[in-house]
Amino acid sequence: IVMTQSPATLSVSPGEGATLSCRASQSVSKNLAWYQQKPGQAPRLLIFGASTRVTGIPARFSGSGSGTEFTLTITGLQSEDFAVYYCQQYGDWPLFGGGTKVEIK
Amino acid sequence: QLQLQESGPGLVKPSETLSLNCTVSGGSFINSPYYWAWIRQSPAGGLEWIGTIFYSGAPNYNPSLEPRVTISVDTSKNLFSLRLSSVTAADTAVYFCARHAGRGMTTFAVPQRPFDYWGQGTLVTVSS
Repeated sequence: IVMTQSPATLSVSPGEGATLSCRASQSVSKNLAWYQQKPGQAPRLLIFGASTRVTGIPARFSGSGSGTEFTLTITGLQSEDFAVYYCQQYGDWPLFGGGTKVEIK
Repeated sequence: QLQLQESGPGLVKPSETLSLNCTVSGGSFINSPYYWAWIRQSPAGGLEWIGTIFYSGAPNYNPSLEPRVTISVDTSKNLFSLRLSSVTAADTAVYFCARHAGRGMTTFAVPQRPFDYWGQGTLVTVSS
């Protein structure tokens, strides 16, 4: 399985929305997680099961998709949301996408 | 609050063995039937799963690293360990320990669960 994220970099103004894509080369059902990583920190689990938010994650983060196509949507970007986002499939052995950097426009 | 902390040498010579420990605090291995994992992140940013072990043993490894990897658990010390032999510069990375979400053993060799707790990571450089 290969996990491909797009775009590699997304430039967004604070308050705007962002849509991040993750594609699997074969179906992973809904065994898909999204992580946020800031410089010098470990990744933080945001969403699992493709669409279930972890307790404490703001509602502006939402995930969708199943099979091979997945999306992470962030509405009303806040300053703390500028980071790198990784998708990870866990239907087989764990495999991460290459990441999307969300930067300030 | 569960906390994971990696420890070990930050510099390893080529062809030698990298050894890291992950100490778990805020919870007990004995009473916590979880899966524990090692993950690394290259200087370019890519994340790679190295392997996973259940608290009572039975590790599973990334096939690309399996010949060189050993993961073990020491429940008496509440830690699990990584050994990676015959290292090269390509093994230079930040190494994270992490926990798979969800309690209990699964029927899969590697649990179909994401990683919910992570250590802060430790940089290991392979250089002479």
